[in-house]
Amino acid sequence: AQKITQTQPGMFVQEKEAVTLDCTYDTSDQSYGLFWYKQPSSGEMIFLIYQGSYDEQNATEGRYSLNFQKARKSANLVISASQLGDSAMYFCAMRESYTGFQKLVFGTGTRLLVSP
Amino acid sequence: GAVVSQHPSWVICKSGTSVKIECRSLDFQATTMFWYRQFPKQSLMLMATSNEGSKATYEQGVEKDKFLINHASLTLSTLTVTSAHPEDSSFYICSAPLGQGPGNEQFFGPGTRLTVL
Repeated sequence: AQKITQTQPGMFVQEKEAVTLDCTYDTSDQSYGLFWYKQPSSGEMIFLIYQGSYDEQNATEGRYSLNFQKARKSANLVISASQLGDSAMYFCAMRESYTGFQKLVFGTGTRLLVSP
Repeated sequence: GAVVSQHPSWVICKSGTSVKIECRSLDFQATTMFWYRQFPKQSLMLMATSNEGSKATYEQGVEKDKFLINHASLTLSTLTVTSAHPEDSSFYICSAPLGQGPGNEQFFGPGTRLTVL
């Protein structure tokens, strides 16, 4: 079974609008971490936001927020007020306690295109 | 934040040659580093975990004799693609975690684009 599932291969959004990128995960661990990364065409991996499994509040970082629904095992990324520079690949990733919180496993990614 | 470098950033080689890619943690020590491979328009697939002073741990399906990993110091891990073939052409990215715990940040190198002719 896939550890991380991103069902949207591509998303389109107009500039200044909000967009939600979906991510569901599968784990039997009680303690785990969820991450979102942005990968522009240059290939670099840019950390956006982190949510711990025990965090009661949804994580926020500037225009990024994570809609964490633990019972549904979902960790959707919400980008508010989209900008042209947000066009990139977005990856959801998870780190589990049984790996010593070392291995980071990625989903298949969602390509976001922001139009003027 | 911490910095991880990779060298070279891109390499083109002939089929059958070996290529070495270096991953360095510039301002922190990394007892563990990770090597990922990313084919065009696909996700990052973990290839192996590089452990300082011991053998690397390879993911299922990754040929350890094909992808040699050496973690000789606390700041350097190398990946050698031996007898490279066109199907090995890919984007290789290394990363290193800083600290322990579920939320410790993992720093990625800028990646190495390998093209095998």
